[in-house]
Amino acid sequence: GQQLNQSPQSMFIQEGEDVSMNCTSSSIFNTWLWYKQDPGEGPVLLIALYKAGELTSNGRLTAQFGITRKDSFLNISASIPSDVGIYFCAGPPMDSNYQLIWGAGTKLIIKP
Amino acid sequence: GAVVSQHPSRVICKSGTSVKIECRSLDFQATTMFWYRQFPKKSLMLMATSNEGSKATYEQGVEKDKFLINHASLTLSTLTVTSAHPEDSSFYICSASPGVGNTEAFFGQGTRLTVV
Repeated sequence: GQQLNQSPQSMFIQEGEDVSMNCTSSSIFNTWLWYKQDPGEGPVLLIALYKAGELTSNGRLTAQFGITRKDSFLNISASIPSDVGIYFCAGPPMDSNYQLIWGAGTKLIIKP
Repeated sequence: GAVVSQHPSRVICKSGTSVKIECRSLDFQATTMFWYRQFPKKSLMLMATSNEGSKATYEQGVEKDKFLINHASLTLSTLTVTSAHPEDSSFYICSASPGVGNTEAFFGQGTRLTVV
């Protein structure tokens, strides 16, 4: 099915570094959602964005809804070991009933 | 955020048997719930949309007779994997959204199904 283009696919970083990942779409979205999934668990909602240009923070996490409504990024500042996991962007297409389209995920690995 | 509870978290069954997975919205009512399947190192793949009081809507390629969905109340949807085979082994996750027009989806903990 349709997917959002999420990059990078994986990231190897040192503890304390900042992280940035993004998602793009060929079509307009009214909502962008960012989730984190730990192994063997369901995704957990991190940040929800509803307005073009919106910049929202949740602790060390910051996400922005692109002006064109076709992209979004997620930044993590000063990464810590518990940030390890897979991050997914998601959004409902214009004609959906809560149904979400998903990015392929960004796997974050923190080097010891 | 809203809480969605999924049970069981892990199940091992023999080939040919059926397995039921429950998804409950604990603090909100959900007229619509979603069932996903996730393969290792892959994103979530939508299997079906569960609609309270009516038939589920299945995605292309998902066998409705194989994956039975029942959404009998506003807080409970069940997925039954019938006549399970080893290739049905996977991670199954449900989600639900509270409120009209609220597109924030909250997920259950997932169910790891292993068919032996």
